[in-house]
Amino acid sequence: EAGVAQSPRYKIIEKRQSVAFWCNPISGHATLYWYQQILGQGPKLLIQFQNNGVVDDSQLPKDRFSAERLKGVDSTLKIQPAKLEDSAVYLCASRFSPGGRDNEQFFGPGTRLTVL
Amino acid sequence: KQEVTQIPAALSVPEGENLVLNCSFTDSAIYNLQWFRQDPGKGLTSLLLIQSSQREQTSGRLNASLDKSSGRSTLYIAASQPGDSATYLCAVRMGTGGFKTIFGAGTRLFVKA
Repeated sequence: EAGVAQSPRYKIIEKRQSVAFWCNPISGHATLYWYQQILGQGPKLLIQFQNNGVVDDSQLPKDRFSAERLKGVDSTLKIQPAKLEDSAVYLCASRFSPGGRDNEQFFGPGTRLTVL
Repeated sequence: KQEVTQIPAALSVPEGENLVLNCSFTDSAIYNLQWFRQDPGKGLTSLLLIQSSQREQTSGRLNASLDKSSGRSTLYIAASQPGDSATYLCAVRMGTGGFKTIFGAGTRLFVKA
């Protein structure tokens, strides 16, 4: 079974530039998450999708971050414009949730963003 | 405020030692708790998932327990090996009226050969 795919693996940009990350979840997983992990900290949830609808985006800085999940499969996370404090690893995860029952989250390798 | 705390932040042990990692959480309305392993520069690998109705889960040399009343979970690693060196994270799905997954900051483990 293929895992969660993410690209790019690394990205270096200057502040005020834009950047986009892509995630392809495990086939059949309806729930998709984007997390931000700053060095030395645990991941922090940015947004959660159930199919192509947003379930929770309470911690997403909506003035600069946006995310979409068209057709309920792949997802993109965008930052525009980037700030120095956005330097982090952006992790995508997916979960199979049949009938609302909770299963494990599976994570992709992450995208390491450096903002100069 | 919902919080997840992991103690210790870092741990160094000789190979072969049994060890316990701790995770505490503030909200007793827990749905489940998941332990992960993270290697440097990599994503998270799921180790064990404990549902709120369970008290423990075992996988190989790993055993995770859950005590909702005290807001604690422990991850027990038996006969540690250098390959166990990684950061261990616990993630708690908790809350009422809308569950959120909150991660601890992790315990960085180093097993010396």
